[in-house]
Amino acid sequence: GAGVSQSPRYKVAKRGQDVALRCDPISGHVSLFWYQQALGQGPEFLTYFQNEAQLDKSGLPSDRFFAERPEGSVSTLKIQRTQQEDSAVYLCASSRRDFYGYTFGSGTRLTVV
Amino acid sequence: KQEVTQIPAALSVPEGENLVLNCSFTDSAIYNLQWFRQDPGKGLTSLLLIQSSQREQTSGRLNASLDKSSGRSTLYIAASQPGDSATYLCAVNHSSYKLIFGSGTRLLVRP
Repeated sequence: GAGVSQSPRYKVAKRGQDVALRCDPISGHVSLFWYQQALGQGPEFLTYFQNEAQLDKSGLPSDRFFAERPEGSVSTLKIQRTQQEDSAVYLCASSRRDFYGYTFGSGTRLTVV
Repeated sequence: KQEVTQIPAALSVPEGENLVLNCSFTDSAIYNLQWFRQDPGKGLTSLLLIQSSQREQTSGRLNASLDKSSGRSTLYIAASQPGDSATYLCAVNHSSYKLIFGSGTRLLVRP
């Protein structure tokens, strides 16, 4: 596609609910990233995929967070047993390869109530 | 640990002014530096990418410079317009893939 597509745009979850956020990268982009952006802050790195391989998940805040990219294209970020502190905008980005510029999606705004 | 700082945190200027946004980073071992624009409730739009071997990049009314040795970058916006109002984020690529962001500068250009 022309850009990075994320869905849903907004998600309200009750505390304790599981959520799944989807990212459709630009076709042919090898690298895919997830970032978390708290209100008034810059995005913070969560995890990185090169094709289907998850090469770095050091930024995932806890074992409640899980990301996958099984066929090297679409990626899903899953959060289990959501907590209020998980409320943030979750941004996905893709890149042709390392060292190149990144294209970000519009993000999913998650609100945990 | 790489840290990125952006000054000022917020800026309000009248239309037509030239302005400079500042970004500093603590570790000069970077691959590249990227400036992004973020509109409220939206994702990030890439403005300029400067590779570590470059000193500056230009796009229209925007010019970004990079001084790796001093750990600084500036984004210069010429003849500002109300449509330039947004948050501007600086990010350094420190590990070949991981971007480390500043907290951004919120810019308001008054008509």
